Amino acid sequence: ETAVFQTPNYHVTQVGNEVSFNCKQTLGHDTMYWYKQDSKKLLKIMFSYNNKQLIVNETVPRRFSPQSSDKAHLNLRIKSVEPEDSAVYLCASSSGTGRGYAEQFFGPGTRLTVL
Amino acid sequence: GEQVEQLPSILRVQEGSSASINCTYENSASNYFPWYKQEPGENPKLIIDIRSNMERKQTQGLIVLLDKKAKRFSLHITDTQPGDSAMYFCAAHDSGYNKLTFGKGTVLLVSP
Repeated sequence: ETAVFQTPNYHVTQVGNEVSFNCKQTLGHDTMYWYKQDSKKLLKIMFSYNNKQLIVNETVPRRFSPQSSDKAHLNLRIKSVEPEDSAVYLCASSSGTGRGYAEQFFGPGTRLTVL
Repeated sequence: GEQVEQLPSILRVQEGSSASINCTYENSASNYFPWYKQEPGENPKLIIDIRSNMERKQTQGLIVLLDKKAKRFSLHITDTQPGDSAMYFCAAHDSGYNKLTFGKGTVLLVSP
C-alpha cells in the first residue's frame, strides 16, 4: 500500500514532557511536510524537507525539531511540551522539490493532548 | 509571505442546490491553488486544483475559478449532496516561499 503513515495516532502527555512523532511515506515523493491543525481546524505549515534538506522552517517555538533520516521519513520531536501544543499534527508529502505545484498527500494525523 | 482569506466560515445549503466558497490571496507570485476536503476525523484530501495559467477548471460537479487580477479564486459545488458535507480548505502556493498557505476553512452543511 502506498500512502503517508503516521504513528502514533494519539498521544496524551503532561506539560514538560518530550514527545516524538513518526512519519513515513511510500509514495516515492521527494518532499515532506509537517502541519499543525489546531482546535479551530486552522492548518499551518511548520516545516518542509526536500531530500532530507530543510526548505521551509516557519516561526515555531524552538522546542519543535524535525528530523529526517531519508526522503521517505520525517519525524517531529517536541521537547518540553506546552498546553498550546495540543493539536493534530499532520504529515504530508509531495513529488518534486516543493518549489512548484504538486498535490500534497496527507497522513492520518497524530492527535496530541497536553494535560 | 502569503495570506489567504476564506469565506464563508459556515455554509448551509439544501440538497440539490449549489454552494460557493470564495478565497482571496495577497501575493501575486502565488501560482497554484488547490482545494482540500476534510471529513470529521479524517485527513485533508485534494479534490480539485487550478494553476495560474488557467481561469476555470471543472471536474465531477466541481468548478474552480481563478481571477488573477483580483487575486481571487472560488470553488463551486453544483448539485450538492449530503456526502458533500465537510470542511473545505482553499490554499495558495507561494513559489517564492515554497509553501502552501491555507485558508481558515469553510464548514459546508448539506441538508436533505
